[in-house]
Amino acid sequence: EAQVTQNPRYLITVTGKKLTVTCSQNMNHEYMSWYRQDPGLGLRQIYYSMNVEVTDKGDVPEGYKVSRKEKRNFPLILESPSPNQTSLYFCASSNWYTQYFGPGTRLTVL
Amino acid sequence: DQQVKQNSPSLSVQEGRISILNCDYTNSMFDYFLWYKKYPAEGPTFLISISSIKDKNEDGRFTVFLNKSAKHLSLHIVPSQPGDSAVYFCAASVTNAGKSTFGDGTTLTVKP
Repeated sequence: EAQVTQNPRYLITVTGKKLTVTCSQNMNHEYMSWYRQDPGLGLRQIYYSMNVEVTDKGDVPEGYKVSRKEKRNFPLILESPSPNQTSLYFCASSNWYTQYFGPGTRLTVL
Repeated sequence: DQQVKQNSPSLSVQEGRISILNCDYTNSMFDYFLWYKKYPAEGPTFLISISSIKDKNEDGRFTVFLNKSAKHLSLHIVPSQPGDSAVYFCAASVTNAGKSTFGDGTTLTVKP
């Protein structure tokens, strides 16, 4: 089954404790992206990658890091999480315009 | 500067009637537009799209209209069904730019 998977689905952590949210796709897509969804703010792009070893900032990259060492994986790294990073995070992949989204990761930073 | 705007946070319609969701954009470089649907506790799923070379695209009950001069697009759902109740996001892209810009979403409620 073609899909985008994210782990964990839910995470509660404390300020400053480094965390990684994994994202994997099995559709051989070149393009992958991370978004955060906050009430009243829609989906805002954090980082995107157009191919292996190619990443670029989206609209809200501050406080986040990403890497793209393999085509299928695109982890999101929060080196020192803060409460304003409490949000719902979505990973997506695509070969052209249409994006396929993962189920989401709900992160709470205390 | 919000480049893609959905000015109606919510819309309520009766089952069987038409639902019209609107989206405005400011960046004239956008050349591809998409609508996504999102149910609670799930990721958004692709619904329908339109290229800037067209002004209408239809897929079953869903039709998207694009008015380039007004920088406006709309999604029509006819007839609306209770299962259409969800959040609808409008998105816009520039070819090969790698970025998609989303609107804030419109919550559609279809009442039986």
